[in-house]
Amino acid sequence: NAGVTQTPKFQVLKTGQSMTLQCAQDMNHEYMSWYRQDPGMGLRLIHYSVGAGITDQGEVPNGYNVSRSTTEDFPLRLLSAAPSQTSVYFCASSYNQLNTEAFFGQGTRLTVV
Amino acid sequence: AQSVAQPEDQVNVAEGNPLTVKCTYSVSGNPYLFWYVQYPNRGLQFLLKYITGDNLVKGSYGFEAEFNKSQTSFHLKKPSALVSDSALYFCAVRDGNNRLAFGKGNQVVVIP
Repeated sequence: NAGVTQTPKFQVLKTGQSMTLQCAQDMNHEYMSWYRQDPGMGLRLIHYSVGAGITDQGEVPNGYNVSRSTTEDFPLRLLSAAPSQTSVYFCASSYNQLNTEAFFGQGTRLTVV
Repeated sequence: AQSVAQPEDQVNVAEGNPLTVKCTYSVSGNPYLFWYVQYPNRGLQFLLKYITGDNLVKGSYGFEAEFNKSQTSFHLKKPSALVSDSALYFCAVRDGNNRLAFGKGNQVVVIP
């Protein structure tokens, strides 16, 4: 019963490098989303998807890309890492986008130096 | 746009005493409200939600929350706090645009 799986758990990048954070869920959820968590700021929505082939921007999308080729996977790409992207990233999924609870992954702690 | 306010950064409570974590919201249309808990180095876990119906909602681990439409509040409560309830608590609201907005979180410290 895996739920939402994020990899890697920790990552250190140099400024300008690119990388992809992986997220997979095995609950056949249509809705998936990416958040970043920063001290004192709660969770902020980066991008979300209401189903395969459909993505949209959240509150803080700049510097990030997403794609949703399958129901299960929702990777987050950092195009050119900046120190301001140092954060903890969480992927979440839910059965629908409105009134069902979200399930969260364990998070990826990213440091950009 | 929807928003959530959690006015207190930290809530300290003695073990066995009632615990209250405050949340107020602003949203156009009907509110869909959620509470989540985060333990250190873990993802968020769902506690309870209000969609419609009874204003008092019961959730996991003995927590409950009261929806108050006139005060636009959704405070989380537990009658008797445990040391293991020490964690970060988030209130969240989803509006008709289907985007989930989180508050800044409240650190709860239960003192033995």
